[in-house]
Amino acid sequence: NAGVTQTPKFQVLKTGQSMTLQCAQDMNHNSMYWYRQDPGMGLRLIYYSASEGTTDKGEVPNGYNVSRLNKREFSLRLESAAPSQTSVYFCASSERGGEGVYYGYTFGSGTRLTVV
Amino acid sequence: DQQVKQNSPSLSVQEGRISILNCDYTNSMFDYFLWYKKYPAEGPTFLISISSIKDKNEDGRFTVFLNKSAKHLSLHIVPSQPGDSAVYFCAASGYSGGGADGLTFGKGTHLIIQP
Repeated sequence: NAGVTQTPKFQVLKTGQSMTLQCAQDMNHNSMYWYRQDPGMGLRLIYYSASEGTTDKGEVPNGYNVSRLNKREFSLRLESAAPSQTSVYFCASSERGGEGVYYGYTFGSGTRLTVV
Repeated sequence: DQQVKQNSPSLSVQEGRISILNCDYTNSMFDYFLWYKKYPAEGPTFLISISSIKDKNEDGRFTVFLNKSAKHLSLHIVPSQPGDSAVYFCAASGYSGGGADGLTFGKGTHLIIQP
């Protein structure tokens, strides 16, 4: 099925460990995003990639790095995990044609990360 | 400073009645608004959207209204069904010319449809 695929679905890390969350989309979208969702906070943008080869910080980038490997794949890395990074992480992709022109914004099913 | 606000954390509606979910925004640069529905342990699912050049958009049981002067939008679900029970997120996007804008989300409203 077409869409956004995230791996892994669940992960438990010890404080200080590192890991990479993987995301791939098969809709040929130019833009990709990483969000985190915390209870009572809605979804907050961590990093985004407007197109292959570019990445930019979102609202809450501290403690994270990203790589836009190619048009399909956008990974999120935690170099030294902290308990404050316990959250559900969502990857998304979209295509935008210009002001007021919009082609879709699709989310993956999420990665539930616990840092102990 | 919250740019997208959903002031009702939860809403309970009887099956068959109308559900009205509200959203306010502060950033006048937003030009596209979306509603997402989210079930537990799943990713948000796109429901309906509206461009700032319109004031209403309908899709089946779902209608979104936009009042630009009040910076307010609402989602109407008629009639409400048990499967509509979920958390609903309002989101907004502003076109900066760069081709990609992360959405700004509200905190969500948990809609409960009672039989």
